[in-house]
Amino acid sequence: EAGVVQSPRYKIIEKKQPVAFWCNPISGHNTLYWYLQNLGQGPELLIRYENEEAVDDSQLPKDRFSAERLKGVDSTLKIQPAELGDSAVYLCASSLGRSFYNEQFFGPGTRLTVL
Amino acid sequence: AQKITQTQPGMFVQEKEAVTLDCTYDTSDQSYGLFWYKQPSSGEMIFLIYQGSYDEQNATEGRYSLNFQKARKSANLVISASQLGDSAMYFCAMREGRAGNTPLVFGKGTRLSVIA
Repeated sequence: EAGVVQSPRYKIIEKKQPVAFWCNPISGHNTLYWYLQNLGQGPELLIRYENEEAVDDSQLPKDRFSAERLKGVDSTLKIQPAELGDSAVYLCASSLGRSFYNEQFFGPGTRLTVL
Repeated sequence: AQKITQTQPGMFVQEKEAVTLDCTYDTSDQSYGLFWYKQPSSGEMIFLIYQGSYDEQNATEGRYSLNFQKARKSANLVISASQLGDSAMYFCAMREGRAGNTPLVFGKGTRLSVIA
């Protein structure tokens, strides 16, 4: 079974440019998460989807960040315009169901560098 | 206040020795889960072990065990017989509440280096 797929793996852009990241979760996983991981830190939640609905986006900087999960499968995270401080790793994760023990499966991440 | 505290930014261990990575947590929920993830230099987060707040036995998975001390709110990871491939960042994380789709809250991590 394929894991969580993310692309691109690496992205280098100049500040003020737009950028988009794509995530394909594990088939059948209804919950999708986007996490931000700054250098030397643990991941922090940006947004969580239940199927196609964003149910937790309180940490998403909505002035420049947007996300969508059309048809409740793939998801795209966009930054426009990018700032120097956005340089980080963007991790996508997915999980199935709501049982108390529920493992989140992570993708390899997209490492963004803003120059 | 930090919900997950990992006080060891870096640790060294000799190959084949055991090592303990510390994690303390802060929650007022009675129901919660504690996770450990490994992040090699390649970047992916690899799930290692899980402990539920109601689990009476310490969790074990192969060479990994979780030393769960509920009263002290600690969930230390013990790696036995360290291998060179264990060199990586290790993150402790917590999920609060009973819903299994609640996002994880991570600590800042501990970088483990295994020496030959």
